Amino acid sequence: QQQVKQSPQSLIVQKGGISIINCAYENTAFDYFPWYQQFPGKGPALLIAIRPDVSEKKEGRFTISFNKSAKQFSLHIMDSQPGDSATYFCAARDSGGGADGLTFGKGTHLIIQP
Amino acid sequence: NAGVTQTPKFQVLKTGQSMTLQCAQDMNHNSMYWYRQDPGMGLRLIYYSASEGTTDKGEVPNGYNVSRLNKREFSLRLESAAPSQTSVYFCAIEQGDGFRTRPQHFGDGTRLSIL
Repeated sequence: QQQVKQSPQSLIVQKGGISIINCAYENTAFDYFPWYQQFPGKGPALLIAIRPDVSEKKEGRFTISFNKSAKQFSLHIMDSQPGDSATYFCAARDSGGGADGLTFGKGTHLIIQP
Repeated sequence: NAGVTQTPKFQVLKTGQSMTLQCAQDMNHNSMYWYRQDPGMGLRLIYYSASEGTTDKGEVPNGYNVSRLNKREFSLRLESAAPSQTSVYFCAIEQGDGFRTRPQHFGDGTRLSIL
C-alpha cells in the first residue's frame, strides 16, 4: 500500500518558470511533511517541511502548500533555475509515533531548461 | 555528506555472497536508519535503530540483518545476496530526542549490484 503518492514522475520547466510537484497521503495520523532534494550521486537533503497547523510555508523560492481536508500537499519552486534540477521527494510521518522512519513518495525528476 | 559516512561506495557481488554495509556518524545522534532506493520506488525503510542497543524492522526487512555496534555505527548485512537486492542503500541519522520533526541527514549511499 503506497501511503504517499507523488506526481508527476518527471517534470521539465523553463528557466524562470514555476515548478509544481504534488503529493497526497492516506494515513490521517501523518502530521509532519518534509520535502527532500537529491542530486545525482548524493543522498537526499531536507529542503523544507510543514506541519498541518499552517496552510503554507515559504522559504526563499520554495513554498509548501498544505490542504488538510484533501490530504494533499505540494511544493512550488518559483523562478526555477538550472541549479534546481534534481530529484524531489515528498515524505510524511506521524510525529507522535515511535522512532520509525519517513514514508517517502516515489520522487519527481525535475529538469530546468536554460 | 558531512556527518554520515557510508562504506563502500560501490560494490558488485555474485548471488549468494554475503557482505556488510557500514555506516558511521559524527553528529552524536541517537537514531539511525537504513533505506534502499530503487528507480521509480522512492526510498523504503529497511531497518532502524532508535538508540544504541535497539533495532527494529522497517517496511522491507526481508533478507537483511543489522547491528547497532555503538552510538556511532550501524551496519547492514546481506547474508546471501539476491539480484532483487540490487539497489542504492542510504544510511540516515536523526537527533532522536523525542521530537520527530527533526531532519534526517543522509549519507551519499552505497551502490550495490548483485549479479
